Amino acid sequence: DVKVTQSSRYLVKRTGEKVFLECVQDMDHENMFWYRQDPGLGLRLIYFSYDVKMKEKGDIPEGYSVSREKKERFSLILESASTNQTSMYLCASGGQGLLAGVYNEQFFGPGTRLTVL
Amino acid sequence: KNQVEQSPQSLIILEGKNCTLQCNYTVSPFSNLRWYKQDTGRGPVSLTIMTFSENTKSNGRYTATLDADTKQSSLHITASQLSDSASYICVVSAHSGAGSYQLTFGKGTKLSVIP
Repeated sequence: DVKVTQSSRYLVKRTGEKVFLECVQDMDHENMFWYRQDPGLGLRLIYFSYDVKMKEKGDIPEGYSVSREKKERFSLILESASTNQTSMYLCASGGQGLLAGVYNEQFFGPGTRLTVL
Repeated sequence: KNQVEQSPQSLIILEGKNCTLQCNYTVSPFSNLRWYKQDTGRGPVSLTIMTFSENTKSNGRYTATLDADTKQSSLHITASQLSDSASYICVVSAHSGAGSYQLTFGKGTKLSVIP
């Protein structure tokens, strides 16, 4: 079974802190994604990566950065956390490169609920 | 702009009853449509996927339909169980050039099954 794990299920941080959210997948997928999920807004793509050291902005990249130093690990960084970044963060992996074919399923981690005070 | 609209926003049904969730999309060029189930506090899990040429797909008590002409999909749940209580998310994939794809997510339908 595909396994996507996230470093924390719940996290509480203070405004201005630097926050690291880590995601690890064990299926040798080339694509990895970070989403945030908010009530009434659904899932929104923050950043994705299609290879080691490669990254692409999603729909809402402002205030976030990412790092992909190893194929299995994709980190989301909040340089200076703000209260409007309180949300559920979901990591996903899937597919082999941009040529992912028609069956481009994404496998999601359990999520990290981040609260910024 | 690609959009996926789901209805209803929320739904409450009695255990054992059937229900149907709707997904309308304006995504082009269409690649496939997938339904995910998301239990509270968990990540989404894929239920079904349909490509342009498929108009129905079943997974146990879940049956998804696709009408590519009207750009509508439905997810029908038969003989609901308490464990079906979850959010159901419709995701449509579009080709975006050079073999890549773009996903557009619906906001989900929250289903509550009560005894």
